[in-house]
Amino acid sequence: NAGVMQNPRHLVRRRGQEARLRCSPVKGHSHVYWYRQLPEEGLKFMVYLQKENIIDESGMPKERFSAEFPKEGPSILRIQQVVRGDSAAYFCASSQLTGPGNTIYFGEGSWLTVV
Amino acid sequence: GNSVTQMEGPVTLSEEAFLTINCTYTATGYPSLFWYVQYPGEGLQLLLKATKADDKGSNKGFEATYRKETTSFHLEKGSVQVSDSAVYFCALSAPDDNSGGSNYKLTFGKGTLLTVNP
Repeated sequence: NAGVMQNPRHLVRRRGQEARLRCSPVKGHSHVYWYRQLPEEGLKFMVYLQKENIIDESGMPKERFSAEFPKEGPSILRIQQVVRGDSAAYFCASSQLTGPGNTIYFGEGSWLTVV
Repeated sequence: GNSVTQMEGPVTLSEEAFLTINCTYTATGYPSLFWYVQYPGEGLQLLLKATKADDKGSNKGFEATYRKETTSFHLEKGSVQVSDSAVYFCALSAPDDNSGGSNYKLTFGKGTLLTVNP
C-alpha cells in the first residue's frame, strides 16, 4: 500500500524546540498539501506545494512555520520555537493533478504535543 | 470565499437507524463536493464525491447528492452499523484566489462525530 506516508506519527516537544514533520506523497503525485487539525475543530489548510515550489501558503502562520518539497525526498513541515498552541494533528495530503473533482489522498497524520 | 457548514454533533444512533448529516456550502465557481471519514486515531479517508449538479456519490451504503439549487450535499445511510462510528467531514474543492485560481484545495466543515450503539 503506497499511500501518503507521514512520520513521526506522534511527536512530543518542549516549548521552544523545533518540530519537523515529514511526508512522502503517493508515488507519482507531485502536489502536496498540509492541513492542521486543532482539538474540536475541523481541518484548516496551511500550504500547497509542487515539487520545489510553494504555490499557496495563505494558511501558514507568518512566523515560525515553513514548508518545503524538494526535488528529491519528502515534504517537510517545520515549526520553530514551538508553543503550546501548536499542539495539533498535522495532516499531509497529495494528489496527482489539481483541478475540478480531483481526489486528494490523506496520510494518517502526525500528532504534535508541546509540553 | 469558500466555506462549508455541516451539522454539529455529536450524533448518537442505535444500530440499523437511518443517518442524515447535513452539509451546505458557499463557493465561487462550480465546486466539487466530498465526504471524508476519520476513524479514531487515523487519517482521513475519502468516502464519496460528486463533481457536478445532481450527481450522486455512493460508497459502503452511504450516499450524497449534489444539489446546486440548495447548495447542499447531505450524507445519508439507511442502516448504520457500530463500525460506522467516526467523524465525518464534508468538503469542497474549488479554484482559490490565493494561487491565481490554480489551487483546488479542499475546504472542510468542522466535522460531525457519529457514535453508533449496538
